[in-house]
Amino acid sequence: DQQVKQNSPSLSVQEGRISILNCDYTNSMFDYFLWYKKYPAEGPTFLISISSIKDKNEDGRFTVFLNKSAKHLSLHIVPSQPGDSAVYFCAASGYNAGNMLTFGGGTRLMVKP
Amino acid sequence: DTGVSQDPRHKITKRGQNVTFRCDPISEHNRLYWYRQTLGQGPEFLTYFQNEAQLEKSRLLSDRFSAERPKGSFSTLEIQRTEQGDSAMYLCASSLWGSPGYTFGSGTRLTVV
Repeated sequence: DQQVKQNSPSLSVQEGRISILNCDYTNSMFDYFLWYKKYPAEGPTFLISISSIKDKNEDGRFTVFLNKSAKHLSLHIVPSQPGDSAVYFCAASGYNAGNMLTFGGGTRLMVKP
Repeated sequence: DTGVSQDPRHKITKRGQNVTFRCDPISEHNRLYWYRQTLGQGPEFLTYFQNEAQLEKSRLLSDRFSAERPKGSFSTLEIQRTEQGDSAMYLCASSLWGSPGYTFGSGTRLTVV
């Protein structure tokens, strides 16, 4: 039972364009959502997060949108850069879950120069 | 602050052998987590500690797995009688209580032959 799903295993985008990575969840107890970026041979690196009381959070080129009614979140990267090429994981946590994170399967983003 | 350190980076072992991994978290972080990641999947929660207390264990953590965090500092994860299905990347992460974002280490890649 996958509670967090990333249905696109890969995404290819031209440099300078927008990258949109999507994530769906099923557990309505999730109240905090995060995006991590992972390069090969490294651990995941925290990128941006959003609380369920918000519908948007922005940090530089990265914006996360949350649609609670659809149980859907997305990460927008504008403009995309070749250095953004990595695997992106969305993750979710719930109140009193001890900060335990449930991860999606990841989306590999390739930004072409 | 040197981040989260994991040792070894790679471990190849024969089926049936015992292995032990070590994690050194960021010194001021009181929570420590172990996750496992297999190819093409997102990290899966195994267990976490708050200081020296092990507060939660996943059902993925069979009786062959044991984790410790003596004195609330470094942690060890031991796998007894390894099986080929144990081959994975074992990730350690740490955080401060109340902080939703983890800092991950680079992981220990285990290969059971």
